[in-house]
Amino acid sequence: GESVGLHLPTLSVQEGDNSIINCAYSNSASDYFIWYKQESGKGPQFIIDIRSNMDKRQGQRVTVLLNKTVKHLSLQIAATQPGDSAVYFCAVQNAGYQKVTFGTGTKLQVIP
Amino acid sequence: EAGVAQSPRYKIIEKRQSVAFWCNPISGHATLYWYQQILGQGPKLLIQFQNNGVVDDSQLPKDRFSAERLKGVDSTLKIQPAKLEDSAVYLCASSPGHTQYFGPGTRLTVL
Repeated sequence: GESVGLHLPTLSVQEGDNSIINCAYSNSASDYFIWYKQESGKGPQFIIDIRSNMDKRQGQRVTVLLNKTVKHLSLQIAATQPGDSAVYFCAVQNAGYQKVTFGTGTKLQVIP
Repeated sequence: EAGVAQSPRYKIIEKRQSVAFWCNPISGHATLYWYQQILGQGPKLLIQFQNNGVVDDSQLPKDRFSAERLKGVDSTLKIQPAKLEDSAVYLCASSPGHTQYFGPGTRLTVL
């Protein structure tokens, strides 16, 4: 089955710095890769996704990079703000099937 | 647009009791998911519905968990009887395609 893991359980960054959260996955047939943000007491919130035929996608202050060769996914947050403090999950999704497998999460702490 | 609604938000029961959770997805979303999220872990898919049919329930402990989605809209998840290890947040999500929209979850504590 699919396994999804993150390299660091907790990441502390200074406000205004850039944050990079990494994720490794195991199934080379995965088609969609998604990043979710989960604040305390809330359900996960979609941030950005990327398809397997892309290697980079940008959103507002966020960039997702996909390296299929080493099965690695990263989320970059520019100019990190206190409101970015949350747990971030990467998830992988099979084409057409929509089953999503979540990683264990990285807690991002922003230091004012 | 209203989001995914779940109730109750919190539930405390004793082991061997029964409990039910309710989910109202976003209007028009054909796909509905139930996840179990244990503290410190990512959500784990329990069951996925497409309209009122089950697409995936491979990780649902069927000896004690059941779920239904009558008329392809609202859904209920039931646990009977509950065990201590069922203490978790139960998340419902709905989707019109690839993007999933999550509800706030129900925090279950089994004593």
